Amino acid sequence: GQQVMQIPQYQHVQEGEDFTTYCNSSTTLSNIQWYKQRPGGHPVFLIQLVKSGEVKKQKRLTFQFGEAKKNSSLHITATQTTDVGTYFCAGPHDYKLSFGAGTTVTVRA
Amino acid sequence: DSGVTQTPKHLITATGQRVTLRCSPRSGDLSVYWYQQSLDQGLQFLIHYYNGEERAKGNILERFSAQQFPDLHSELNLSSLELGDSALYFCASSGTRGRNEQFFGPGTRLTVL
Repeated sequence: GQQVMQIPQYQHVQEGEDFTTYCNSSTTLSNIQWYKQRPGGHPVFLIQLVKSGEVKKQKRLTFQFGEAKKNSSLHITATQTTDVGTYFCAGPHDYKLSFGAGTTVTVRA
Repeated sequence: DSGVTQTPKHLITATGQRVTLRCSPRSGDLSVYWYQQSLDQGLQFLIHYYNGEERAKGNILERFSAQQFPDLHSELNLSSLELGDSALYFCASSGTRGRNEQFFGPGTRLTVL
């Protein structure tokens, strides 16, 4: 079945630095979605990418969908303490979303 | 507030018991999904219902069952509970059959003692 993998599992970032988290699917995706889960909270939808090579920005967050529609990345610039949480990517497959294991981000002030 | 409600918020029970978790989707959403999230773990997909019919099954144990009622709310039944069933159980809803964004409820934290 489809598998979605994310790396790294943990990301410890100094406040103000940039980082990137990567997502890879074993199969071609019709779209890729990103979610954020704050500590103690529930996953919240951030964005959906549909087109090959698509790039979308949300303030300091830049999301990219690969040309082959099998991978995606999330790049955060000038990390802030509000960026703390776990970021999940997810791809649809057979009436469900397959979630990656997530990248848990901690920020050093 | 996602518009998805889950009850109860917390549930503490003993091994061998049976519990029912309830979820009300966002107004108008026909799809309901159930996920299990153990401590520091990812989201394990359990089951998807669309307009009352089961559409997809994940790694759901035989001791677990779910259903979606005509008013579109859903219940997840967990029986013969074991210590390892302690987890956060999330319900999510969407307007489509699995392709689009999902809106998660606040979750039910189940503790099995």
